[in-house]
Amino acid sequence: AQSVTQPDIHITVSEGASLELRCNYSYGATPYLFWYVQSPGQGLQLLLKYFSGDTLVQGIKGFEAEFKRSQSSFNLRKPSVHWSDAAEYFCAVGGPKYMYSGGGADGLTFGKGTHLIIQP
Amino acid sequence: ETGVTQSPTHLIKTRGQQVTLRCSSQSGHNTVSWYQQALGQGPQFIFQYYREEENGRGNFPPRFSGLQFPNYSSELNVNALELDDSALYLCASSLFRGRNMNTEAFFGQGTRLTVV
Repeated sequence: AQSVTQPDIHITVSEGASLELRCNYSYGATPYLFWYVQSPGQGLQLLLKYFSGDTLVQGIKGFEAEFKRSQSSFNLRKPSVHWSDAAEYFCAVGGPKYMYSGGGADGLTFGKGTHLIIQP
Repeated sequence: ETGVTQSPTHLIKTRGQQVTLRCSSQSGHNTVSWYQQALGQGPQFIFQYYREEENGRGNFPPRFSGLQFPNYSSELNVNALELDDSALYLCASSLFRGRNMNTEAFFGQGTRLTVV
């Protein structure tokens, strides 16, 4: 079974500084990778996804992520954070069955999240 | 385009009771999944429905059950509630168009269930 590790429980960044949130996954084949953001008391909003192709993917709100197969990583980056970026960030992985909706489909496996704090 | 909507937003139940949570999929989506998010944790996959049948399940007991209706809306039912069932329950929908053609999942705002 796949697993996701987000090593940083909390990260504090100054407004305007760059950001990198780490995500490592454990899975035998190429997974389907996602980053979601969750504001307090809210649901999850998709920031970006990687299914195949270019390993550097662009998302919404100025975020990007890079898939590195050799490191089993999918780190999220942003060149300059804004106070509104303060939230909980989740990395998620889908296995091959994620793409099959007939019989035995798996859902997404999420990391425990990284809480991002923005200092003024 | 309407997003995923869930009802109610908050709910308080007593241990041993039963609860039904509801979800309307995003317009055009035909697959719905449910997740449980305990406080301070990432969401955990409960199950997925496609064509009104459960076609995938996580590590949750049978007292967690669901339905998907012809209009692709869905219900999550939990019987014999336990204190540990207190969590945010998230519904997500996606569009499956055939093998290897599933889209990303879009989530609703969730239902906060408190069991006392």
